Amino acid sequence: SQTIHQWPATLVQPVGSPLSLECTVEGTSNPNLYWYRQAAGRGLQLLFYSVGIGQISSEVPQNLSASRPQDRQFILSSKKLLLSDSGFYLCAWSVLLRDENTEAFFGQGTRLTVV
Amino acid sequence: AQSVSQHNHHVILSEAASLELGCNYSYGGTVNLFWYVQYPGQHLQLLLKYFSGDPLVKGIKGFEAEFIKSKFSFNLRKPSVQWSDTAEYFCAVNARSNTGKLIFGQGTTLQVKP
Repeated sequence: SQTIHQWPATLVQPVGSPLSLECTVEGTSNPNLYWYRQAAGRGLQLLFYSVGIGQISSEVPQNLSASRPQDRQFILSSKKLLLSDSGFYLCAWSVLLRDENTEAFFGQGTRLTVV
Repeated sequence: AQSVSQHNHHVILSEAASLELGCNYSYGGTVNLFWYVQYPGQHLQLLLKYFSGDPLVKGIKGFEAEFIKSKFSFNLRKPSVQWSDTAEYFCAVNARSNTGKLIFGQGTTLQVKP
């Protein structure tokens, strides 16, 4: 069966420090991968998505970047964190079945606090 | 651009009360519709989905939702809630494409009092 791993679960980082959050998917090939940020009262905001290795689309301008070095690996990064980067980050995946995407499956999330 | 609006941000009900959470979306094309639930301390999980066919869809734990195309709505219902339904509920939409990008509503926090 398919599983998604996201780590770390919690992270406290000082302003100006770099960030690297990793997400890996097991049990499926060529998934679509997504990074979302969840803010209280604001739902989930799509940050990046990827339909293949090295293919990254950004949905909102921000201080973050994403990379997909392998088929089932998705990394969220920042060179210098801002206080406003604090939040709950979720990785998700879906696949195409008969030209239609399945629902998205989510990881456990990373609670990032920038201090 | 697509958008999703959930009308109720915080709902408090007593056990056995009926539930209806509103969801409206804005998009001119064909969409897939979802309700996700996040129980306290747990990850986001799918409650139900609509892709095509019968506009009344049934999900897990007695939940159902009805897609009304003319109203761009996908309201979630449950006839009798339980304390264990206390959670945050998210409506989401994606346009039929190869990207599968989900656009979420703001979420509704449901608190069920025993």
